[in-house]
Amino acid sequence: DQQVKQNSPSLSVQEGRISILNCDYTNSMFDYFLWYKKYPAEGPTFLISISSIKDKNEDGRFTVFLNKSAKHLSLHIVPSQPGDSAVYFCAASDGGTSYGKLTFGQGTILTVHP
Amino acid sequence: EAGVTQFPSHSVIEKGQTVTLRCDPISGHDNLYWYRRVMGKEIKFLLHFVKESKQDESGMPNNRFLAERTGGTYSTLKVQPAELEDSGVYFCASSRGPGQITDTQYFGPGTRLTVL
Repeated sequence: DQQVKQNSPSLSVQEGRISILNCDYTNSMFDYFLWYKKYPAEGPTFLISISSIKDKNEDGRFTVFLNKSAKHLSLHIVPSQPGDSAVYFCAASDGGTSYGKLTFGQGTILTVHP
Repeated sequence: EAGVTQFPSHSVIEKGQTVTLRCDPISGHDNLYWYRRVMGKEIKFLLHFVKESKQDESGMPNNRFLAERTGGTYSTLKVQPAELEDSGVYFCASSRGPGQITDTQYFGPGTRLTVL
């Protein structure tokens, strides 16, 4: 029973264009959402987050959008750079009974071509 | 400030053997988490320590896994006896606390465990 899903295993984008990574969740108790980036042989690194009381959060080239009614969030990277090439994980947390516990998706491999 | 460190980086053992993974969190971080990623799938939660106490161990697969956090500092995860399906990358993460949902979890580089 996978509660967070990233249905695109990979995404290929040209440098300078927009990258859009998508994530769907099923657990309506999730109220905090995060994106992590992972390079090979390294651990995941926090990128950006959003609370369920917001529908958008922006940090430089990265913007996360949350659509609670659709239980969908997306990460936009504009403009994409070759250094953005990595695995991106969507994660969610339930601040109630299990705060701190992150539920992750399977990850999407982003490749940004020069 | 040193990040989360994990030892060893790789471990190859035979089925039935015992392996102990170690995690040193960022100094001063009360929260310590263990996660596992198997065969390129999702990263799955195993357990959460607050200082030396187990806050949530709902993700521990079975009683072959034993986690400890001595004195609220480093943590060990022992697998005994190891089975083939235990292969994967084990990540440790820490956060400062006191357990706010917005506390950022900082991950270590992981230990890649291969059980033959």
